[in-house]
Amino acid sequence: DQQVKQNSPSLSVQEGRISILNCDYTNSMFDYFLWYKKYPAEGPTFLISISSIKDKNEDGRFTVFLNKSAKHLSLHIVPSQPGDSAVYFCAASAGTYKYIFGTGTRLKVLA
Amino acid sequence: GAGVSQSPRYKVAKRGQDVALRCDPISGHVSLFWYQQALGQGPEFLTYFQNEAQLDKSGLPSDRFFAERPEGSVSTLKIQRTQQEDSAVYLCASSFTGVEQFFGPGTRLTVL
Repeated sequence: DQQVKQNSPSLSVQEGRISILNCDYTNSMFDYFLWYKKYPAEGPTFLISISSIKDKNEDGRFTVFLNKSAKHLSLHIVPSQPGDSAVYFCAASAGTYKYIFGTGTRLKVLA
Repeated sequence: GAGVSQSPRYKVAKRGQDVALRCDPISGHVSLFWYQQALGQGPEFLTYFQNEAQLDKSGLPSDRFFAERPEGSVSTLKIQRTQQEDSAVYLCASSFTGVEQFFGPGTRLTVL
């Protein structure tokens, strides 16, 4: 049973436009959410996180939105740049160190 | 500053062989994690150490998998009698707080 789902395996966006990556979860005990970015042949790198007490967290071009009632979070990248092309993983935890990852969304930003 | 390093980066094993995968965490990070990432999937938790103590090994898929961190720094993940389904990328992560985890580049294991 997949507790964290990223239903879009891939996404293509034009440079300068907004990229929106989505993530759904099923476990209402999750209280901390993270986004990781992964380039080929490298490990995932932390991008941004959000606690369940917030509904939005912003860091430069990256904003994460959390909708607890819908059990949905999204990552917005604006403006998108070619260097943002990577696989993005959503992860969640229920007050512990144990992260549950989604299957990832491959973002391609077209120049 | 050095990040998390893992060796080897690639390992090919014949079915039934034993393998050992090494992780060098960031200096000073007390928490260390191992994950398994199958093709097309996200990383899946295997085990967690705090210093030298293995506090959680609930994700290890079978008793063929064994991890250790004897001095609270370098960790080794050992897989005995490898099977084809063990083929995956094995990721190590370390953390000072346990919250933000820093990942290594992974070891890609292929079992023939």
